Amino acid sequence: DVKVTQSSRYLVKRTGEKVFLECVQDMDHENMFWYRQDPGLGLRLIYFSYDVKMKEKGDIPEGYSVSREKKERFSLILESASTNQTSMYLCASSRPGQGVETQYFGPGTRLLVL
Amino acid sequence: SQQGEEDPQALSIQEGENATMNCSYKTSINNLQWYRQNSGRGLVHLILIRSNEREKHSGRLRVTLDTSKKSSSLLITASRAADTASYFCATDSTGTASKLTFGTGTRLQVTL
Repeated sequence: DVKVTQSSRYLVKRTGEKVFLECVQDMDHENMFWYRQDPGLGLRLIYFSYDVKMKEKGDIPEGYSVSREKKERFSLILESASTNQTSMYLCASSRPGQGVETQYFGPGTRLLVL
Repeated sequence: SQQGEEDPQALSIQEGENATMNCSYKTSINNLQWYRQNSGRGLVHLILIRSNEREKHSGRLRVTLDTSKKSSSLLITASRAADTASYFCATDSTGTASKLTFGTGTRLQVTL
C-alpha cells in the first residue's frame, strides 16, 4: 500500500513564526502536491513538484514556499505565518503516466496560527 | 478557481437508502475521479472514469459521466453508516494529467 505521512497531525504556531510542514511518501512517486482545505472552498493547490528540485506554483502560492531535495520528501514552508493560514494542509503524491494519475493523500496537518 | 462543483453540499439519508451526488465541471477532461474523506482525515481514491466512458461500477459505487453536459454522478447503493464522509470529484484538464482540480465536496450523513 502507498503510504504518505505528514510530520504532525496538529500544530499551533504564533503569527510571524516560520513553519515547516513535512511530507514523506514511500512509493517512489515522482509527483508530490500540497493543498490547503478550508470549509466551503474544497481543496486548493498551493504547490506541486514533478521531480527532485522541481516545483510549480498552484492556485494559491502566496505566502508559501516549498522544498524537494529528495524524491520521497516534499516540504511546505510558511516563511512568516499569518492567521489567515490557519487551515488543514494535505499532502499527496502520484506516479505520472498514461494520462491516468490517482493521488494518494496523507492524513493532513491541522494548523492553527494564533 | 474550483473546476468541480458538487451538489448537494450536504445529504442526509437512512441506512439502506441510495445516495446520489453530482459534480459539474467547466473544461475538457481526460478523466474524472471521485474521492472520499472521513472527518479530519486525508482523501482516499474511490473510482476513476475516463472521458470516453459513460458508466463504471465498483462494488456499491456507480459513476456516470456525461461529457456533453460536463457532469458526473456518484451513486452509492444500500448505504451504510460507515459511508458517512465527504465526497469530492476531481478532474484533470486535457494535456495536464498530473494536476487535479477538486470540487467543494458533498457531506454525506448516513443514519441508522
